[in-house]
Amino acid sequence: EVQLVESGGGLVQPGASLKLSCVASGFTFSDYWMSWVRQTPGKTMEWIGDIKYDGSYTNYAPSLKNRFTISRDNAKSTLYLQMSNVRSEDTATYYCTPTPYFDYWGQGVMVTVSS
Amino acid sequence: DVVLTQTPPTLSATIGQSVSISCRSSQSLLHSNGNTYLHWLLQRPGQSPQLLIYLVSRLESGVPNRFSGSGSGTDFTLKISGVEAEDLGVYYCVQGTHAPYTFGAGTKLELK
Repeated sequence: EVQLVESGGGLVQPGASLKLSCVASGFTFSDYWMSWVRQTPGKTMEWIGDIKYDGSYTNYAPSLKNRFTISRDNAKSTLYLQMSNVRSEDTATYYCTPTPYFDYWGQGVMVTVSS
Repeated sequence: DVVLTQTPPTLSATIGQSVSISCRSSQSLLHSNGNTYLHWLLQRPGQSPQLLIYLVSRLESGVPNRFSGSGSGTDFTLKISGVEAEDLGVYYCVQGTHAPYTFGAGTKLELK
């Protein structure tokens, strides 16, 4: 059974940094490009970026590339999202999902940015 | 960026009714490799999204065949032939052809 389990979210203050993790199981993680996607409280879905199966290449949404960094550890079947200088508009539920088919989704992890 | 315009934003249906959702793209979603990475997701209330249809018309494993997808280029449609109660939720189209990948705004399917 495929599982994606996101973690690392919570309440953070504006300007802080946060690192999210996504642990994958049930499929060969190292064969897949992986994305981070977020869903705002208003239910808008936004693609953040993705990373090649071997970690050698990343794509980002232009508006986020200066603050967000995606990495992976294939030995641990884990995807990461490093968020820096967070803002209130980063408040969302964050999901990891394979690209370009978006075929598996975890339960998501909530990030709330507020003072 | 590719803009996906979904219509209608809300759909009211009775059980057994057939409905369609449109997703129009601001540019062709045909990839240079010949695939069209236009997919449909369903997010039921309180749940994560799930893939229903991939590559325009291919049914994801385990998804009932009352769901079907069609279209090409910039115009795509999801059809549900006989809505069931478990189909209620928000439907999103998503494109994986042109980075940054983008989602439609969603269509909420509710019971009339």
